[in-house]
Amino acid sequence: DVKVTQSSRYLVKRTGEKVFLECVQDMDHENMFWYRQDPGLGLRLIYFSYDVKMKEKGDIPEGYSVSREKKERFSLILESASTNQTSMYLCASSLPNGPEQYFGPGTRLTVT
Amino acid sequence: GEDVEQSLFLSVREGDSSVINCTYTDSSSTYLYWYKQEPGAGLQLLTYIFSNMDMKQDQRLTVLLNKKDKHLSLRIADTQTGDSAIYFCAETPFSGGYNKLIFGAGTRLAVHP
Repeated sequence: DVKVTQSSRYLVKRTGEKVFLECVQDMDHENMFWYRQDPGLGLRLIYFSYDVKMKEKGDIPEGYSVSREKKERFSLILESASTNQTSMYLCASSLPNGPEQYFGPGTRLTVT
Repeated sequence: GEDVEQSLFLSVREGDSSVINCTYTDSSSTYLYWYKQEPGAGLQLLTYIFSNMDMKQDQRLTVLLNKKDKHLSLRIADTQTGDSAIYFCAETPFSGGYNKLIFGAGTRLAVHP
């Protein structure tokens, strides 16, 4: 069974703080993804990575960065959190050609 | 650009069939997906269909794909209260590479007695 875990289910941070969201997968997948989910907007891709130390911008990368130092771990970084980054963040992983993406349980981030 | 649209809400009676519809714009999509999200949980892949197929059936789930109209539907037979969730339609656009997914906004399915 594929397992994707995220470091926190709920997180509350203050405006201007640096925030790290961690994601770990145990299936040796090459591809990893970070999405944010907002009501009425569905999921939007922030960044993805297709190999260690490789990353590509998704549709809404502004205000975010990522790090992939090890194959199983993909981190999303909010350099200076803002209230408009309050959202549900979902991590996913897949094999190089998919087609299936496996999702973690999500981290609900609130920035006050 | 690429876009996926679906209605936001559907209410059905327990035991009836549910049909959730989705339209997409990218005619070169390779795969189309249905994901389910239960309250407080991540997304669970329900089923997917390759773009050269018209239909796929898996137990109570039937997926229909009309490529000409760029229309995808998910039919759930004998809908149960446990089917209450948000259902997301998604596509893999050919131009995306690395199996990038484009999601719709999600349809909230409410099942009532």
